[in-house]
Amino acid sequence: EPEVTQTPSHQVTQMGQEVILRCVPISNHLYFYWYRQILGQKVEFLVSFYNNEISEKSEIFDDQFSVERPDGSNFTLKIRSTKLEDSAMYFCASRLLGDATEAFFGQGTRLTVV
Amino acid sequence: AQTVTQSQPEMSVQEAETVTLSCTYDTSESDYYLFWYKQPPSRQMILVIRQEAYKQQNATENRFSVNFQKAAKSFSLKISDSQLGDAAMYFCAYRSRNNAGNMLTFGGGTRLMVKP
Repeated sequence: EPEVTQTPSHQVTQMGQEVILRCVPISNHLYFYWYRQILGQKVEFLVSFYNNEISEKSEIFDDQFSVERPDGSNFTLKIRSTKLEDSAMYFCASRLLGDATEAFFGQGTRLTVV
Repeated sequence: AQTVTQSQPEMSVQEAETVTLSCTYDTSESDYYLFWYKQPPSRQMILVIRQEAYKQQNATENRFSVNFQKAAKSFSLKISDSQLGDAAMYFCAYRSRNNAGNMLTFGGGTRLMVKP
């Protein structure tokens, strides 16, 4: 069964450093998402991406964040200068075209900023 | 903006028994989707069941069924014949049909424990 894969599973980074989280969505999916889950809190939407551009973003997704689909298969989330409060689980998701389709989630990347 | 509320932080059920997880939401829209996702200790979010708001019939997937009350903005999940593998965090989620990104808005989650 096709699945969304995320790498790495766990990343530890120093505060102020740049970090790139990687995702390989399911191959024929056209909508891509990043969500985050701070420990013990709800899952929060960060950004959606369609047709090579951001279609919607939340207030959390400020200038420190960016997304890219560099090669038609990977979908990346970059945090330019990490803060302690960026420590969270980051989930990538993808889905097919059509508003009735479900989102498939990756297993997540745990980001720890020290 | 839509909000989703899960009022039960934790629930417990005996194996083989039935449990109902509650979810309410707030929206001014008439057309949307509702979902229940399961998050086991492995952390991956897995879709359990989906409901389209325009359908009056409650969705069912094997041992999982929902009670969708559109006027009350309520969307509860019933798990019948609970199994040890059902132990997980369960998230209720809302998705509009009207915004460009069609993102999910999640509730705070309910941790379900299954006792053998």
